[in-house]
Amino acid sequence: AQSVTQLDSQVPVFEEAPVELRCNYSSSVSVYLFWYVQYPNQGLQLLLKYLSGSTLVESINGFEAEFNKSQTSFHLRKPSVHISDTAEYFCAVSSGGYQKVTFGTGTKLQVIP
Amino acid sequence: EAGVAQSPRYKIIEKRQSVAFWCNPISGHATLYWYQQILGQGPKLLIQFQNNGVVDDSQLPKDRFSAERLKGVDSTLKIQPAKLEDSAVYLCASSPGTGKMFFGYTFGSGTRLTVV
Repeated sequence: AQSVTQLDSQVPVFEEAPVELRCNYSSSVSVYLFWYVQYPNQGLQLLLKYLSGSTLVESINGFEAEFNKSQTSFHLRKPSVHISDTAEYFCAVSSGGYQKVTFGTGTKLQVIP
Repeated sequence: EAGVAQSPRYKIIEKRQSVAFWCNPISGHATLYWYQQILGQGPKLLIQFQNNGVVDDSQLPKDRFSAERLKGVDSTLKIQPAKLEDSAVYLCASSPGTGKMFFGYTFGSGTRLTVV
């Protein structure tokens, strides 16, 4: 069985400060990993994904995440956040080739002006 | 390309009433999913279709929930009768992949259900 743990339910951070949202996963087989973002009153949008290859993946709006197999982690980072980054972020894992994605409980990122 | 379409956007019903949600996936996407997202929680998979067949419905409360995708395109999810704890956002997602090729979902905007 696969599972995802997001330990931080809320992360407040000042504008232009760096941020890290933590994600740990559990799976007995090779995995695909995802970060989704949900802005208020909107659906989930894919932010970035790790399928294979380079362990560092980047999004178009400055976020990056690093797949660490030994620590079973896929933490999301941004060196300088903007007010518009205020949203809820979900880490997700898919394994076993069945295309079933299991989501974490989410981390609310609140950017403070 | 057009995204995943869902309707209605919002629905308020009384407990014990029935309700139906509709989803039209991205054209050509073979796999369709229904997720339930309760406030403060991550999305939980209810049912997964591959074309018009059910792949996984292990977490679907079958005594009250049903879903169909008769022609392998659009899908409906029904709740009958609704309970207070069914209040949630119901998300539909689709994926083009079959077999082991998988690149993530595209989600619709969801239907927010409030049961009073």
